[in-house]
Amino acid sequence: DADVTQTPRNRITKTGKRIMLECSQTKGHDRMYWYRQDPGLGLRLIYYSFDVKDINKGEISDGYSVSRQAQAKFSLSLESAIPNQTALYFCATSDSWTQRTDTQYFGPGTRLTVL
Amino acid sequence: AQKVTQAQTEISVVEKEDVTLDCVYETRDTTYYLFWYKQPPSGELVFLIRRNSFDEQNEISGRYSWNFQKSTSSFNFTITASQVVDSAVYFCALSEARGGSYIPTFGRGTSLIVHP
Repeated sequence: DADVTQTPRNRITKTGKRIMLECSQTKGHDRMYWYRQDPGLGLRLIYYSFDVKDINKGEISDGYSVSRQAQAKFSLSLESAIPNQTALYFCATSDSWTQRTDTQYFGPGTRLTVL
Repeated sequence: AQKVTQAQTEISVVEKEDVTLDCVYETRDTTYYLFWYKQPPSGELVFLIRRNSFDEQNEISGRYSWNFQKSTSSFNFTITASQVVDSAVYFCALSEARGGSYIPTFGRGTSLIVHP
């Protein structure tokens, strides 16, 4: 089984709808991240969380919110989806208990289309 | 200005050619980390290498090698004798301290196409 899973893998929704993307991990890592990937723009950080009670905004947090329900679960919500949020979304984890705290381990991605 | 610049948007080579992917970074920190990740056509992102700012030794792993030069703020990635399976988007990333922790910033990626 994959260490980092994302659901759904693909989603098509309409403008104005609320949508939640979920991420679960079995790696035992304490840190979790949400990124979006757009063609030609690379990966941009939306939010990150260093533990259940810690949530931090990333580079492009406007229009998004997150919830860290447990150490292993980190969900991303779009309260009112808009077309320019159409992108590939990645969840990632990292482990603060090693020296490589910033090495990211990614989920398979969720392709979101907002019509 | 971008912190991580991958000037090559797309590179196309024929199998068995050597290819170098360029990465130039910008930071004022003395302690930082550099990464390469691979994204094959299937879409997943795979960690390849992490390098700290105090270690300028080149690294070789099979057909892959990395050249880190602080003097030119570059961390280039060379694939020797490329294969079709090397076709992917490759991302370079820079990790700097932010509020006591290190968060990576990614470049825009270089798409490598290896033709048979």
